[in-house]
Amino acid sequence: SAVISQKPSRDICQRGTSLTIQCQVDSQVTMMFWYRQQPGQSLTLIATANQGSEATYESGFVIDKFPISRPNLTFSTLTVSNMSPEDSSIYLCSVVLGTNTEAFFGQGTRLTVV
Amino acid sequence: AQSVTQLDSQVPVFEEAPVELRCNYSSSVSVYLFWYVQYPNQGLQLLLKYLSGSTLVKGINGFEAEFNKSQTSFHLRKPSVHISDTAEYFCAVSDREDFNKFYFGSGTKLNVKP
Repeated sequence: SAVISQKPSRDICQRGTSLTIQCQVDSQVTMMFWYRQQPGQSLTLIATANQGSEATYESGFVIDKFPISRPNLTFSTLTVSNMSPEDSSIYLCSVVLGTNTEAFFGQGTRLTVV
Repeated sequence: AQSVTQLDSQVPVFEEAPVELRCNYSSSVSVYLFWYVQYPNQGLQLLLKYLSGSTLVKGINGFEAEFNKSQTSFHLRKPSVHISDTAEYFCAVSDREDFNKFYFGSGTKLNVKP
C-alpha cells in the first residue's frame, strides 16, 4: 500500500492569488496524479505528473493555470494559479503502485477561494 | 473513452437494512472496476475491486459487488448497514491497457438512519 500526505489540508485564499499544494508519498512511484473534486461532484483527473518530464494534462486543464512540479519519485506539487471562486474544490493527489491497479489517495486539500 | 454512471445521488436507509448502490459503465475496452468510500473530510479508501475471475467480489466492512458484463454493471451491496457506513461511495473504472487512469462516477451519498 501507499501512504500519501498532502499539505495543506485546507486553506482559504483571496481571488487572484496562487496556492501550492504538496504531495508526499512513502514509496517511489513513476507517476503521480492530481484530481479535482468540485462541490457535490465526482473526481476529475487534472494531470499526470511524471518524474523528469513535463506533466500531461487532461482536456480542459492547462499548465498555466495548474503548473505541476515533480522533482523526485516521492514528491509532487500542484499550484492553482490566479484563483477564482470557481476553483474552490478539493484537490487530491493519487498514485498507483506498479501493477497493483489500485489507486491510493491523499486526504485531500480543501480550497476555498473568496 | 470510459464513463461511469451512478444513478442514485443519495440513498437513505435505516440501520440494519440491506442496501444496493448502482453503478453502470461504458467502455470500448476491457476495464478494471472499483468501489471507493469517502468519509467526511477524508480521502478515498478502496472498498473492493474486480480485476478478473469470480464476478462476485467481497470487500472490506461487509460490502460486496457483482460484475455483470452483459449489463455493464458493478453494483455494490451490503446485507445489513450500520450508522458508520454513512459516507459517499464512488464507482470507478480503469482501462486494462492504461490502468493508471481512473474514471469516477458522480458518487452516491449513503445516509444510514437509526
